Amino acid sequence: GQQLNQSPQSMFIQEGEDVSMNCTSSSIFNTWLWYKQDPGEGPVLLIALYKAGELTSNGRLTAQFGITRKDSFLNISASIPSDVGIYFCAGRLDNTNAGKSTFGDGTTLTVKP
Amino acid sequence: GAGVSQSPSNKVTEKGKDVELRCDPISGHTALYWYRQSLGQGLEFLIYFQGNSAPDKSGLPSDRFSAERTGGSVSTLTIQRTQQEDSAVYLCASSLRDGLRDTQYFGPGTRLTVL
Repeated sequence: GQQLNQSPQSMFIQEGEDVSMNCTSSSIFNTWLWYKQDPGEGPVLLIALYKAGELTSNGRLTAQFGITRKDSFLNISASIPSDVGIYFCAGRLDNTNAGKSTFGDGTTLTVKP
Repeated sequence: GAGVSQSPSNKVTEKGKDVELRCDPISGHTALYWYRQSLGQGLEFLIYFQGNSAPDKSGLPSDRFSAERTGGSVSTLTIQRTQQEDSAVYLCASSLRDGLRDTQYFGPGTRLTVL
């Protein structure tokens, strides 16, 4: 099946710094999704991208759908302690069974006050 | 309104026993998904229900795994003759429909430990 390579695996940053993480795939997706997961909870959708080249923001978060449809990145600006968690990218391929998503292994973010 | 709920939150069982995990989706959501999350890994798709259609079982890892959805609402994931490699967090999600733009809302998961 399709594989997503997410990097970096973990990040340790100072409060106020910007963060960047990305996902790459060997094959294309029609949709890229970015989720955040807090301990003991399920993932929560942050940003959804539906068109190649699309750049979307949600507050301090910005994500882009790569033009090749094989990659996406997520940026977090001016990080704060509550940004701590695991960030997952996910891709969906087709319009049927659209809910089936392939997930990356996650980026664990630690923010030092 | 209530989100997706799952029970139990934690389950410890002995190898070879059967377990049942329950998911209550958001009311009115027609699509329901089960994923498995192993330690330090992303989510692995298991099975998906949409309305009255036959479920997509393509992600189930073996015939020891099965799931049903009664009355288009509550779903139960059953693992028979559990093995240690079944230990993981099992996450359920629901969405209004199964369209490309339908957001999946996840429950908190059931952490399964097989001794």
